[in-house]
Amino acid sequence: SQQGEEDPQALSIQEGENATMNCSYKTSINNLQWYRQNSGRGLVHLILIRSNEREKHSGRLRVTLDTSKKSSSLLITASRAADTASYFCATRGSNYKLTFGKGTLLTVNP
Amino acid sequence: NAGVTQTPKFQVLKTGQSMTLQCAQDMNHEYMSWYRQDPGMGLRLIHYSVGAGITDQGEVPNGYNVSRSTTEDFPLRLLSAAPSQTSVYFCASSYIEGTGGANVLTFGAGSRLTVL
Repeated sequence: SQQGEEDPQALSIQEGENATMNCSYKTSINNLQWYRQNSGRGLVHLILIRSNEREKHSGRLRVTLDTSKKSSSLLITASRAADTASYFCATRGSNYKLTFGKGTLLTVNP
Repeated sequence: NAGVTQTPKFQVLKTGQSMTLQCAQDMNHEYMSWYRQDPGMGLRLIHYSVGAGITDQGEVPNGYNVSRSTTEDFPLRLLSAAPSQTSVYFCASSYIEGTGGANVLTFGAGSRLTVL
């Protein structure tokens, strides 16, 4: 069964607005990662947060992690049309496997 | 630097046929894995490997076979294709940074398989 579940399944916003996606998971993790997938392409790694971290920033991306609630959020600030893509969270437990959620489809309208 | 290369990009099979999806990486990554992506299902792990000669099953291994004879290559074999195996397949690799490590994946471009 899949570990992570993203919410919402789809999100449509206007350029310049912020986009927030959430990820919930079931078991303890070593780290949580976010990936982006443009239509018809492979996934690209965006940002990683370890289980002992609460918040990380990378450019316009901000990730938070709440291990007590087993949840994470990805915030994209000042969205651009080029941010239109599917976003996936992936969790790594004590082994080496990365388990992905079903993704959030973000559409940024010009 | 090619990264992760998957071949073929597209393939159409008839039910019962066998085929191999090829995956090669030139980054000397220890970890390699295969995922399938279906609409509404996200990515599901089929098989993975932590080094040459070592493979293990993921969430959905039935109907697939893998081997890892070299660090660079990790082929995925469909033994007897079924329509349920129609999907987009992704190969991904990473360094292994230990039990507390990052394991950040580099993905190939994908192979779209249709089984009639």
